Amino acid sequence: KQEVTQIPAALSVPEGENLVLNCSFTDSAIYNLQWFRQDPGKGLTSLLLIQSSQREQTSGRLNASLDKSSGRSTLYIAASQPGDSATYLCAVTQNQAGTALIFGKGTTLSVSS
Amino acid sequence: EAQVTQNPRYLITVTGKKLTVTCSQNMNHEYMSWYRQDPGLGLRQIYYSMNVEVTDKGDVPEGYKVSRKEKRNFPLILESPSPNQTSLYFCASSLTLGTSGETQYFGPGTRLLVL
Repeated sequence: KQEVTQIPAALSVPEGENLVLNCSFTDSAIYNLQWFRQDPGKGLTSLLLIQSSQREQTSGRLNASLDKSSGRSTLYIAASQPGDSATYLCAVTQNQAGTALIFGKGTTLSVSS
Repeated sequence: EAQVTQNPRYLITVTGKKLTVTCSQNMNHEYMSWYRQDPGLGLRQIYYSMNVEVTDKGDVPEGYKVSRKEKRNFPLILESPSPNQTSLYFCASSLTLGTSGETQYFGPGTRLLVL
């Protein structure tokens, strides 16, 4: 059964620092991987989606990479800001029907000014 | 504005009292699903629907029912709620199925407490 792990569970950094969030998955037979952001009291917002055939995706200060063979993905956040404080979740789509996302437990990021 | 809405946002109820959490999307999405989020367990899928009148179980369907009579609505029904269903619930939708690369849009969540 697919398991998605995110390390670290929590991270505190000063404003301006570049940082990397890690996601690993046990079964490399995935169709895509998504990174989400969750803010307290709000739903999840999709940040980046990487198809299994892709190596990375970029959006503004965010860059996500995918190494399917090793079962790893990273989310790189450049020049972090207090507004980046949130919980970041990664999720994989495993079955061919794509009917479910399998989530990691998340990394809670705190950026101090 | 494209969005997924859920109601109610907060609910306190007692064991055995039937309740319904509504979910509606205005993006003409085919695919909708329900997740629950619990501390230490993360998000887990309850049920999903690939289109009107087509629903199927996710990982944790016990104690829940769903229906999809209209494309935009996907209510979650707890016929006889129990304390172990206390959780944060999210509805999600996407245009098509996940392998096509369509991102999923999530509602704001419904926090349920069953006493």
